[in-house]
Amino acid sequence: AQSVSQHNHHVILSEAASLELGCNYSYGGTVNLFWYVQYPGQHLQLLLKYFSGDPLVKGIKGFEAEFIKSKFSFNLRKPSVQWSDTAEYFCAVCPFSGGYNKLIFGAGTRLAVHP
Amino acid sequence: DAGVIQSPRHEVTEMGQEVTLRCKPISGHDYLFWYRQTMMRGLELLIYFNNNVPIDDSGMPEDRFSAKMPNASFSTLKIQPSEPRDSAVYFCASSSSRGYGYTFGSGTRLTVV
Repeated sequence: AQSVSQHNHHVILSEAASLELGCNYSYGGTVNLFWYVQYPGQHLQLLLKYFSGDPLVKGIKGFEAEFIKSKFSFNLRKPSVQWSDTAEYFCAVCPFSGGYNKLIFGAGTRLAVHP
Repeated sequence: DAGVIQSPRHEVTEMGQEVTLRCKPISGHDYLFWYRQTMMRGLELLIYFNNNVPIDDSGMPEDRFSAKMPNASFSTLKIQPSEPRDSAVYFCASSSSRGYGYTFGSGTRLTVV
């Protein structure tokens, strides 16, 4: 079955630390890839997305992600986090299949940034 | 564009009562999704529609849950009768068939006491 794995459930960092959140998926075909962010008490918002082309994609608020096809990975990075980045982050995959538009979400990673 | 609109934002009801959650997707989007989010289970896909037709309802927990999409601009998720374990945040999302990702509504926080 298709699945998305996020390696860390909880991450705690100090401000200015670098961030990398892991995401792996299990699907051998073509995929669209997404990272969503959910700030406390809010809904999910799109952070960045990859469809094709340059595997290094840049999103809002200084986030970027790199698609490594051979590793089925789409890790999220930010060089220097801020307290306002405290949120839950979800990786999602949209496989090209019969149910093409169905996003499969990972379990999420809760990030806490301390001042 | 007003985005995906959900109502109500908060709902508190007594066990056994019927609850109806509403969603208006983005105009032009032909997919609509209902998700439930809890601390224990995370984000669960309940059901999704394509062109107003239910495609996959395998995530609907039991017969107490039902969803309809009578037209392209409106969907409901009904729980009858409600139980305390149904307490969660219910999100609606919509997207186009191009697979560009979902736009989520602000959610309905349901509390069943």
